[in-house]
Amino acid sequence: NAGVTQTPKFQVLKTGQSMTLQCAQDMNHNSMYWYRQDPGMGLRLIYYSASEGTTDKGEVPNGYNVSRLNKREFSLRLESAAPSQTSVYFCASSAPNYEQYFGPGTRLTVT
Amino acid sequence: AQSVTQLGSHVSVSEGALVLLRCNYSSSVPPYLFWYVQYPNQGLQLLLKYTSAATLVKGINGFEAEFKKSETSFHLTKPSAHMSDAAEYFCAVSVHGSGNTGKLIFGQGTTLQVKP
Repeated sequence: NAGVTQTPKFQVLKTGQSMTLQCAQDMNHNSMYWYRQDPGMGLRLIYYSASEGTTDKGEVPNGYNVSRLNKREFSLRLESAAPSQTSVYFCASSAPNYEQYFGPGTRLTVT
Repeated sequence: AQSVTQLGSHVSVSEGALVLLRCNYSSSVPPYLFWYVQYPNQGLQLLLKYTSAATLVKGINGFEAEFKKSETSFHLTKPSAHMSDAAEYFCAVSVHGSGNTGKLIFGQGTTLQVKP
Protein backbone atom coordinates (compact mmCIF):
# COMPACT_ATOMS: atom_id res chain seq x y z
CA ASN A 1 0.00 0.00 0.00
CA ALA A 2 2.00 2.99 -1.29
CA GLY A 3 -0.56 5.70 -0.39
CA VAL A 4 0.03 8.78 -2.57
CA THR A 5 2.95 8.79 -4.97
CA GLN A 6 4.31 11.70 -7.00
CA THR A 7 6.79 11.96 -9.83
CA PRO A 8 9.25 13.51 -10.34
CA LYS A 9 10.73 14.46 -6.97
CA PHE A 10 12.84 17.27 -8.38
CA GLN A 11 12.67 19.25 -11.61
CA VAL A 12 14.44 22.26 -13.07
CA LEU A 13 12.79 24.04 -15.98
CA LYS A 14 13.65 27.05 -18.08
CA THR A 15 11.06 29.78 -18.47
CA GLY A 16 8.57 28.80 -21.14
CA GLN A 17 9.11 25.07 -20.91
CA SER A 18 6.23 22.74 -20.13
CA MET A 19 5.95 19.74 -17.87
CA THR A 20 3.45 17.42 -16.22
CA LEU A 21 3.55 16.38 -12.58
CA GLN A 22 2.10 12.94 -11.99
CA CYS A 23 0.17 11.78 -8.93
CA ALA A 24 -1.43 8.45 -8.09
CA GLN A 25 -3.22 7.05 -5.04
CA ASP A 26 -4.11 3.47 -4.17
CA MET A 27 -6.66 4.15 -1.41
CA ASN A 28 -9.72 4.25 -3.64
CA HIS A 29 -10.40 7.88 -2.68
CA ASN A 30 -12.82 9.92 -4.75
CA SER A 31 -11.24 13.33 -4.11
CA MET A 32 -7.76 14.45 -5.09
CA TYR A 33 -5.94 17.78 -4.82
CA TRP A 34 -2.93 19.72 -6.00
CA TYR A 35 -1.31 22.27 -3.67
CA ARG A 36 1.68 24.50 -3.85
CA GLN A 37 3.73 25.38 -0.79
CA ASP A 38 5.74 28.57 -0.57
CA PRO A 39 7.59 29.91 2.49
CA GLY A 40 5.27 31.70 4.90
CA MET A 41 2.17 31.04 2.82
CA GLY A 42 1.11 27.58 3.96
CA LEU A 43 -0.51 25.33 1.38
CA ARG A 44 -2.55 26.90 -1.36
CA LEU A 45 -4.98 24.83 -3.39
CA ILE A 46 -4.36 24.92 -7.14
CA TYR A 47 -7.00 22.50 -8.44
CA TYR A 48 -9.04 19.68 -7.06
CA SER A 49 -11.13 16.80 -8.32
CA ALA A 50 -14.08 15.72 -6.19
CA SER A 51 -14.64 12.61 -8.27
CA GLU A 52 -13.46 10.89 -11.40
CA GLY A 53 -14.34 13.01 -14.41
CA THR A 54 -14.64 16.34 -12.56
CA THR A 55 -12.11 19.06 -11.83
CA ASP A 56 -12.44 22.50 -10.26
CA LYS A 57 -10.26 25.51 -9.67
CA GLY A 58 -8.82 26.22 -6.28
CA GLU A 59 -7.27 29.36 -4.88
CA VAL A 60 -4.37 29.76 -7.35
CA PRO A 61 -5.21 28.03 -10.68
CA ASN A 62 -3.66 30.49 -13.15
CA GLY A 63 -0.90 28.95 -15.23
CA TYR A 64 -1.92 25.37 -14.49
CA ASN A 65 -4.14 22.68 -15.97
CA VAL A 66 -5.15 19.32 -14.56
CA SER A 67 -6.43 15.98 -15.75
CA ARG A 68 -8.21 13.36 -13.69
CA LEU A 69 -7.20 10.42 -15.82
CA ASN A 70 -9.06 7.83 -13.75
CA LYS A 71 -9.91 7.34 -10.10
CA ARG A 72 -6.26 6.72 -9.19
CA GLU A 73 -4.44 9.39 -11.16
CA PHE A 74 -4.52 13.19 -11.13
CA SER A 75 -1.91 15.11 -13.11
CA LEU A 76 -0.89 18.78 -13.03
CA ARG A 77 0.45 20.47 -16.14
CA LEU A 78 2.42 23.67 -16.52
CA GLU A 79 2.08 24.74 -20.14
CA SER A 80 4.60 27.59 -20.07
CA ALA A 81 6.57 27.67 -16.85
CA ALA A 82 7.37 31.00 -15.17
CA PRO A 83 9.79 31.78 -12.30
CA SER A 84 6.75 32.53 -10.10
CA GLN A 85 5.88 28.84 -10.32
CA THR A 86 9.05 27.85 -8.48
CA SER A 87 7.59 26.02 -5.50
CA VAL A 88 7.05 22.68 -3.83
CA TYR A 89 4.00 20.89 -5.20
CA PHE A 90 1.99 18.39 -3.18
CA CYS A 91 -0.69 16.03 -4.32
CA ALA A 92 -3.23 14.70 -1.82
CA SER A 93 -6.28 12.49 -1.72
CA SER A 94 -9.01 12.44 0.88
CA ALA A 95 -11.18 9.98 2.68
CA PRO A 96 -14.91 10.80 3.13
CA ASN A 97 -14.22 12.34 6.58
CA TYR A 98 -12.03 15.07 5.04
CA GLU A 99 -8.78 13.43 6.22
CA GLN A 100 -6.21 14.12 3.52
CA TYR A 101 -3.21 12.00 2.67
CA PHE A 102 -0.22 13.66 1.07
CA GLY A 103 2.46 12.62 -1.35
CA PRO A 104 6.14 13.38 -0.77
CA GLY A 105 6.16 16.45 -2.99
CA THR A 106 7.86 17.72 -6.14
CA ARG A 107 10.44 20.49 -5.86
CA LEU A 108 10.24 22.61 -8.99
CA THR A 109 12.66 25.37 -9.90
CA VAL A 110 11.99 27.59 -12.91
CA THR A 111 14.96 29.65 -14.09
CA ALA B 1 -16.87 30.79 4.60
CA GLN B 2 -14.20 28.98 6.53
CA SER B 3 -10.78 30.26 7.55
CA VAL B 4 -7.99 29.33 9.92
CA THR B 5 -5.36 31.42 11.68
CA GLN B 6 -2.24 30.12 13.34
CA LEU B 7 -0.84 32.51 15.89
CA GLY B 8 2.93 32.68 15.71
CA SER B 9 4.88 31.61 12.66
CA HIS B 10 7.77 30.46 14.83
CA VAL B 11 7.72 28.94 18.33
CA SER B 12 10.84 27.99 20.26
CA VAL B 13 10.83 25.77 23.38
CA SER B 14 13.41 23.94 25.41
CA GLU B 15 13.53 20.17 25.40
CA GLY B 16 11.16 18.90 28.08
CA ALA B 17 9.07 22.07 28.11
CA LEU B 18 5.38 22.37 27.23
CA VAL B 19 4.55 22.80 23.58
CA LEU B 20 1.57 25.04 22.74
CA LEU B 21 0.73 25.86 19.13
CA ARG B 22 -2.29 28.06 18.63
CA CYS B 23 -5.01 27.73 16.01
CA ASN B 24 -8.25 29.68 15.66
CA TYR B 25 -10.83 28.94 13.03
CA SER B 26 -13.90 30.48 11.50
CA SER B 27 -16.73 28.34 10.21
CA SER B 28 -20.45 28.88 9.76
CA VAL B 29 -21.11 25.17 10.22
CA PRO B 30 -19.69 22.62 12.66
CA PRO B 31 -16.18 22.06 11.37
CA TYR B 32 -13.82 19.19 11.12
CA LEU B 33 -10.37 20.27 12.33
CA PHE B 34 -6.96 18.80 11.72
CA TRP B 35 -3.34 19.21 12.73
CA TYR B 36 -0.66 18.06 10.33
CA VAL B 37 3.10 17.89 10.82
CA GLN B 38 5.74 18.34 8.14
CA TYR B 39 9.30 17.24 8.74
CA PRO B 40 12.02 18.75 6.54
CA ASN B 41 11.80 17.73 2.90
CA GLN B 42 8.75 15.54 3.48
CA GLY B 43 5.03 15.65 2.84
CA LEU B 44 2.39 16.39 5.47
CA GLN B 45 1.43 13.74 8.00
CA LEU B 46 -1.76 13.73 10.05
CA LEU B 47 -1.19 14.31 13.77
CA LEU B 48 -4.79 14.33 14.95
CA LYS B 49 -8.31 15.26 13.92
CA TYR B 50 -11.57 16.49 15.43
CA THR B 51 -14.70 15.27 13.70
CA SER B 52 -17.43 16.21 16.22
CA ALA B 53 -16.91 13.42 18.74
CA ALA B 54 -14.85 14.02 21.91
CA THR B 55 -13.61 17.61 22.24
CA LEU B 56 -10.21 16.49 23.57
CA VAL B 57 -8.44 14.67 20.81
CA LYS B 58 -5.29 12.62 21.24
CA GLY B 59 -2.91 12.09 18.36
CA ILE B 60 0.39 10.52 17.56
CA ASN B 61 3.69 11.26 19.29
CA GLY B 62 2.03 12.46 22.51
CA PHE B 63 0.22 15.44 20.98
CA GLU B 64 -3.32 16.40 21.81
CA ALA B 65 -5.71 19.22 20.98
CA GLU B 66 -8.90 20.53 22.49
CA PHE B 67 -11.83 21.81 20.46
CA LYS B 68 -13.33 24.89 22.16
CA LYS B 69 -16.38 26.09 20.30
CA SER B 70 -16.86 29.19 22.47
CA GLU B 71 -13.32 30.33 21.67
CA THR B 72 -13.28 28.96 18.08
CA SER B 73 -9.93 27.42 18.92
CA PHE B 74 -8.16 24.13 18.37
CA HIS B 75 -4.76 24.55 20.04
CA LEU B 76 -2.17 21.79 19.86
CA THR B 77 -0.26 20.80 22.99
CA LYS B 78 2.35 18.34 24.17
CA PRO B 79 3.44 18.20 27.81
CA SER B 80 7.14 17.64 27.15
CA ALA B 81 8.95 18.59 23.95
CA HIS B 82 11.42 16.23 22.35
CA MET B 83 14.12 17.17 19.88
CA SER B 84 12.37 15.06 17.26
CA ASP B 85 9.30 17.34 17.48
CA ALA B 86 11.12 20.07 15.57
CA ALA B 87 9.06 20.50 12.41
CA GLU B 88 6.43 22.68 10.80
CA TYR B 89 2.86 22.28 12.00
CA PHE B 90 -0.29 23.12 10.07
CA CYS B 91 -3.83 23.55 11.32
CA ALA B 92 -6.64 22.94 8.82
CA VAL B 93 -10.42 23.34 8.75
CA SER B 94 -12.90 21.55 6.51
CA VAL B 95 -14.72 23.43 3.78
CA HIS B 96 -18.39 22.60 3.71
CA GLY B 97 -20.52 23.53 0.76
CA SER B 98 -22.36 21.92 -2.09
CA GLY B 99 -21.25 18.33 -2.31
CA ASN B 100 -18.60 16.62 -0.28
CA THR B 101 -15.40 17.78 -1.94
CA GLY B 102 -13.23 17.01 1.08
CA LYS B 103 -11.51 20.37 0.77
CA LEU B 104 -9.45 21.77 3.62
CA ILE B 105 -8.17 25.27 4.27
CA PHE B 106 -4.72 25.34 5.83
CA GLY B 107 -3.18 27.86 8.16
CA GLN B 108 0.15 29.42 7.28
CA GLY B 109 2.07 27.05 9.49
CA THR B 110 4.08 27.29 12.70
CA THR B 111 7.69 26.22 12.82
CA LEU B 112 8.55 24.56 16.11
CA GLN B 113 12.16 24.79 17.24
CA VAL B 114 13.28 22.62 20.17
CA LYS B 115 16.43 23.70 21.96
CA PRO B 116 18.57 21.25 23.92
